[in-house]
Amino acid sequence: DQQVKQNSPSLSVQEGRISILNCDYTNSMFDYFLWYKKYPAEGPTFLISISSIKDKNEDGRFTVFLNKSAKHLSLHIVPSQPGDSAVYFCAANTQGGSEKLVFGKGTKLTVNP
Amino acid sequence: GAVVSQHPSRVICKSGTSVKIECRSLDFQATTMFWYRQFPKQSLMLMATSNEGSKATYEQGVEKDKFLINHASLTLSTLTVTSAHPEDSSFYICSARDAGAGANVLTFGAGSRLTVL
Repeated sequence: DQQVKQNSPSLSVQEGRISILNCDYTNSMFDYFLWYKKYPAEGPTFLISISSIKDKNEDGRFTVFLNKSAKHLSLHIVPSQPGDSAVYFCAANTQGGSEKLVFGKGTKLTVNP
Repeated sequence: GAVVSQHPSRVICKSGTSVKIECRSLDFQATTMFWYRQFPKQSLMLMATSNEGSKATYEQGVEKDKFLINHASLTLSTLTVTSAHPEDSSFYICSARDAGAGANVLTFGAGSRLTVL
């Protein structure tokens, strides 16, 4: 039973355009959401997070939107850069912290020059 | 920033042998570390929570006698896959929380690719 779903295994965008990565969840008890970025042969690195008390969090080119009623969150990257090409994982947990994170399968983003 | 080192990055072993994977926090102390496993095209799945000085907490469906976890110090946790079989071939990755980096951020190691022949 996949509690965190990333339905798009891959996404390709042009440099300078917006990248939108989507994530859906089924567990209404989740109250904290994170995005991690993973390059080949490296571990995931934390990118941005959002608490369920907010609907938007922004950090530079990265913005995460949370729609609790739809149980949906999205990561916007604008403008996209070739160095953003990586696998992006959506994760969630129920304790307001990072313990026992539940991950999605990831979306491979390719930003073309 | 916080760094977690994982070793070995790749290991190939024969069926029936045991393999040990080390996870070290290099510049911070971690009372808790987490071990994940990822099969191809699947999510990172939490296997167990490693607690310094006490027994690990295993997720449902994970055999504690097969996946031995030892967290003997504040900077080292080890995962031993005992009597490995081909179905144990997977990507194993550890993570730790650096309290100084923020309570909600996990730092991950680079992972260990295990192939059991």
